[in-house]
Amino acid sequence: NAGVTQTPKFRILKIGQSMTLQCAQDMNHNYMYWYRQDPGMGLKLIYYSVGAGITDKGEVPNGYNVSRSTTEDFPLRLELAAPSQTSVYFCASSYSIGEANYGYTFGSGTRLTVV
Amino acid sequence: EDKVVQSPLSLVVHEGDTVTLNCSYEVTNFRSLLWYKQEKKAPTFLFMLTSSGIEKKSGRLSSILDKKELFSILNITATQTGDSAIYLCAVLGNTPLVFGKGTRLSVIA
Repeated sequence: NAGVTQTPKFRILKIGQSMTLQCAQDMNHNYMYWYRQDPGMGLKLIYYSVGAGITDKGEVPNGYNVSRSTTEDFPLRLELAAPSQTSVYFCASSYSIGEANYGYTFGSGTRLTVV
Repeated sequence: EDKVVQSPLSLVVHEGDTVTLNCSYEVTNFRSLLWYKQEKKAPTFLFMLTSSGIEKKSGRLSSILDKKELFSILNITATQTGDSAIYLCAVLGNTPLVFGKGTRLSVIA
């Protein structure tokens, strides 16, 4: 099993450009999450999804959009990139929000720089 | 709003020392508290705690939860340079995991 796969690993964007961060999981998890991590900070929740077709905002959703058309994929879209979106982005998944025994499974992250 | 506060934010110790990392929290409808270790990439799971007073152990690492005082500690004994990392505490309530800022631990030889 690949677990949670994120692409790309690194990206540099110019201000105002758009891009999609890809996230796919092969564990048949219902729940998927997008977090961002700024230097010296913990992870902040951007969006999450409890199943295909259902998404909800987290703590810092402004400037982002998500969709969940399949159980496996949960892409994060950045429209009109801004320097404040420079961060490391982590996708994660779990069977349920109250995951027992081992918490969420994280992808390896995407390091995004907006210049 | 759910909140997690970790202390200290950074710590430098010598190999062989014992360290205690702290995590206090405020969360609606507490379900569990989790500890993660983060080196260069994604956080890796260490412990999940749901009940007060029951210590979880894995090798030199151990953790315990106090649901009355709303805090948890993570202990690392006989520290090694490989323990150098950011240790993240997170709580689960009505919403997905809420993380603290982490404690950056540096272990020097």
